Amino acid sequence: DGGITQSPKYLFRKEGQNVTLSCEQNLNHDAMYWYRQDPGQGLRLIYYSQIVNDFQKGDIAEGYSVSREKKESFPLTVTSAQKNPTAFYLCASSITGQRSNQPQHFGDGTRLSIL
Amino acid sequence: GENVEQHPSTLSVQEGDSAVIKCTYSDSASNYFPWYKQELGKGPQLIIDIRSNVGEKKDQRIAVTLNKTAKHFSLHITETQPEDSAVYFCAASGGGFKTIFGAGTRLFVKA
Repeated sequence: DGGITQSPKYLFRKEGQNVTLSCEQNLNHDAMYWYRQDPGQGLRLIYYSQIVNDFQKGDIAEGYSVSREKKESFPLTVTSAQKNPTAFYLCASSITGQRSNQPQHFGDGTRLSIL
Repeated sequence: GENVEQHPSTLSVQEGDSAVIKCTYSDSASNYFPWYKQELGKGPQLIIDIRSNVGEKKDQRIAVTLNKTAKHFSLHITETQPEDSAVYFCAASGGGFKTIFGAGTRLFVKA
C-alpha cells in the first residue's frame, strides 16, 4: 500500500539536544510538507519542499531544519534553538509542487515531548 | 495575511442527527477547499473537497457547499454515527503555494 510513514511515533528530547523526525513516502509525490499541531490549533507549516534538493521556510521555521536529498524522504530536525518543541508533528505530501490546489496525504505523526 | 476561520470549535450531536461545520476564508484567490478528518493519534485524512467552479458536492452522508461571494464553505454530515466522532479541519488553497487550515472542530456523536 502506498502512503507516508513517520517515525518514531513518540520521541523525547533532552535540553540542548537535536532530534530528527523521519518521514518517508512511496506515493511518488513531488511535494512534501512538515506541520506542527498544538492542542486546539490548526496545522502550522514549518517547511515545505516542492522538489528534490529544494525546500522553503513556512510560517514557523525558526529552530527547525530539513533536507530533501531523495524524493521519498523529508526528515525534520528539531534543534536546541526551538525552545518550545513539545507538539504533534505531521508530515504530508502532494502529487506536484507546482500548485497548492490539490489534496495532501498525511502520515500518522510523531509526538515530541521534553524530558 | 491569509486566514481561515472555523466554527464551532466543539459540536455535540445525537446519533442520527445532522452536523454542520462552517468556515470562512480571507484570500479571494483561493480555489480549492478540502476537508480532513483526524482521529485520535492519527494524521488527518481527506474526506471530501470542492473546487471554486462548483457550488456543492456530495458523497454519501457527507456534503460540502461553497459560497464564493461570501467566502464561506460548509461541511454537512447527515445521519451521524458514533464513528463520525473526530476532529474535522477545513482548509483553503490556491492563492499561493500554501494551504491554510482552520483551527478544527471536535465533533462528538452521542449514541
